[in-house]
Amino acid sequence: GAVVSQHPSWVICKSGTSVKIECRSLDFQATTMFWYRQFPKQSLMLMATSNEGSKATYEQGVEKDKFLINHASLTLSTLTVTSAHPEDSSFYICSARDLQRGGNEQFFGPGTRLTVL
Amino acid sequence: AQTVTQSQPEMSVQEAETVTLSCTYDTSENNYYLFWYKQPPSRQMILVIRQEAYKQQNATENRFSVNFQKAAKSFSLKISDSQLGDTAMYFCAFMNYSGAGSYQLTFGKGTKLSVIP
Repeated sequence: GAVVSQHPSWVICKSGTSVKIECRSLDFQATTMFWYRQFPKQSLMLMATSNEGSKATYEQGVEKDKFLINHASLTLSTLTVTSAHPEDSSFYICSARDLQRGGNEQFFGPGTRLTVL
Repeated sequence: AQTVTQSQPEMSVQEAETVTLSCTYDTSENNYYLFWYKQPPSRQMILVIRQEAYKQQNATENRFSVNFQKAAKSFSLKISDSQLGDTAMYFCAFMNYSGAGSYQLTFGKGTKLSVIP
């Protein structure tokens, strides 16, 4: 149980285009999902907290207009990187809380590797 | 704001031996959890062990155990009978469940563990 999927697992795009990454909780309802960014050989940095049906809360330094987050249902959150540039190339990871399991643990997706040419 | 410090960027251990990974944290919160996550080369984040701060007893999960020293704000991970599959990055993480930023994870920079055959 508590499985989180991400799609796609790997994407390459041209500079200036937009890319959408999906995060799904497969066997539970996730009122809260989180988006992280991880550069090579570095730790996970929280980008934003996404609550179902409301606007995401972004961490300081994260551009809201560049990283659009939508959490329209209890099982799906999406991250759209708009007008992507090479510096946006990174590994993006989502996680979700399961309140039925107490909500004190985050379950992680397998991550999405974004390469912007 | 919380901070998590892992002072050992890399460690190695012989197969079947025991290794301890260090973690210290700083917080003014009273209600929190501490976690150790493993990130193998696949980059999937895997929960290794969790400790509730209000519990004095150290958590154990099979070959994994922690030494939680609340007053010293220390949370080390001991891996016994190390196996080749334990080779991974290990992240210490903090989560408070009251106050600002509830249920968000703050990660340390990680320790790269190599198990040598």
